[in-house]
Amino acid sequence: DSGVTQTPKHLITATGQRVTLRCSPRSGDLSVYWYQQSLDQGLQFLIQYYNGEERAKGNILERFSAQQFPDLHSELNLSSLELGDSALYFCASSAQGSFNTGELFFGEGSRLTVL
Amino acid sequence: ELKVEQNPLFLSMQEGKNYTIYCNYSTTSDRLYWYRQDPGKSLESLFVLLSNGAVKQEGRLMASLDTKARLSTLHITAAVHDLSATYFCAVDDFGNEKLTFGTGTRLTIIP
Repeated sequence: DSGVTQTPKHLITATGQRVTLRCSPRSGDLSVYWYQQSLDQGLQFLIQYYNGEERAKGNILERFSAQQFPDLHSELNLSSLELGDSALYFCASSAQGSFNTGELFFGEGSRLTVL
Repeated sequence: ELKVEQNPLFLSMQEGKNYTIYCNYSTTSDRLYWYRQDPGKSLESLFVLLSNGAVKQEGRLMASLDTKARLSTLHITAAVHDLSATYFCAVDDFGNEKLTFGTGTRLTIIP
């Protein structure tokens, strides 16, 4: 158990719908990262937040958005869903300061299926 | 753009044999990570390599980093079935605050 919590674990929805994925980082971690894992694209970095602020952006679609709240949990919002958005979405967090080796600790993931 | 390449992509090997997975990357980063993923599961951190020449070992797995060659290896010694999984290397794209992952190597150990 990495200490990173993601909900829901599984989600099935229809095209055109909107879903929200939630992540709680490890206790004490200020950074949250979102990754998408699909069969054809591999593990793709989406976005990173640090203490409530966006720090880095990757291959995140305009239909997707994220935020990190004052209690440090993060939400990834996916809208106007398409079949190709079906994937495993991972959240990860990293330690801060002198403990920061850059190592990411991953949650169990949220498996999204768009029908 | 940072590129991270692993080879082979698929590896089927017999129990008891040795093999090496290679990870090449295109930046000058000196931070590299290895992760293991079982099917449909999370990514488990295996090794953190933070300098040129770093070598880490855990059980039958040993990872090394050559930053000058931009190459890391994950060596498997006397493979056992429990090591069957997908192994990813990831590189810290310094200054970009994120890890870029390789394509993964799906390892299958055959009894």
